[in-house]
Amino acid sequence: EIVMTQSPATLSVSPGERATLSCRASQSVSSNLAWYQQKPGQAPRLLVYGASTRATGIPARFSGSGSGTDFTLTISSLQSEDFAVYYCQQYNDWPPPFGQGTRVEIK
Amino acid sequence: QVQLIQFGAEVKKPGASVKVSCKVSGYTVTALSIHWVRQAPGKGLEWMGGFDPKDGETIYAQKFQGRVTMTEEISTDTAYMELNSLRSEDTAVYYCATGIKVGAHTSYYLDYWGQGTLVTVSS
Repeated sequence: EIVMTQSPATLSVSPGERATLSCRASQSVSSNLAWYQQKPGQAPRLLVYGASTRATGIPARFSGSGSGTDFTLTISSLQSEDFAVYYCQQYNDWPPPFGQGTRVEIK
Repeated sequence: QVQLIQFGAEVKKPGASVKVSCKVSGYTVTALSIHWVRQAPGKGLEWMGGFDPKDGETIYAQKFQGRVTMTEEISTDTAYMELNSLRSEDTAVYYCATGIKVGAHTSYYLDYWGQGTLVTVSS
């Protein structure tokens, strides 16, 4: 089973600054990697699939990159509504596990 | 547009079973691949299983094999997840979500999500 590892566990960022989140797979998942955002009390929301394709309605400040085992989600200029927990998920193989999440908090 | 409607909360005793529903709106349930993900309080997301229409099979995470059953009721466009032999560690929010498959041998990413059902297991 592929294991997804996210870093850091918590990222403290000031509004307007750039945030860079990492996700590593224990073996290659090609570009079959998705990112989700979850705010307190809400269901997760799909942000990115195919490692770099933004889902419908996702602002351009969110960008994904990477392939193989190493992936990055970048939020170019953090807005107040972006403070949340972010999860990656591989779907190259079964089962499709999530990473443990990165919490983005206000610095 | 797809909407997945889940209701409130359930409280169950250890050893009991729970059946969580997920009503599909905007599509028929047979046109979708419905998956279930759970989240224990303060913890991350855990994929439990999902239906693969290409093979016509439901695939379960090994951790839940033998204890979970995922079904669909076509007449009401509702998906169900039943978890048996409940224990305190099963206390979690249970989400249904629609899956998208991009290749013959890949699994799914999840695009639309229900709002979740809180299941509390307590004596």
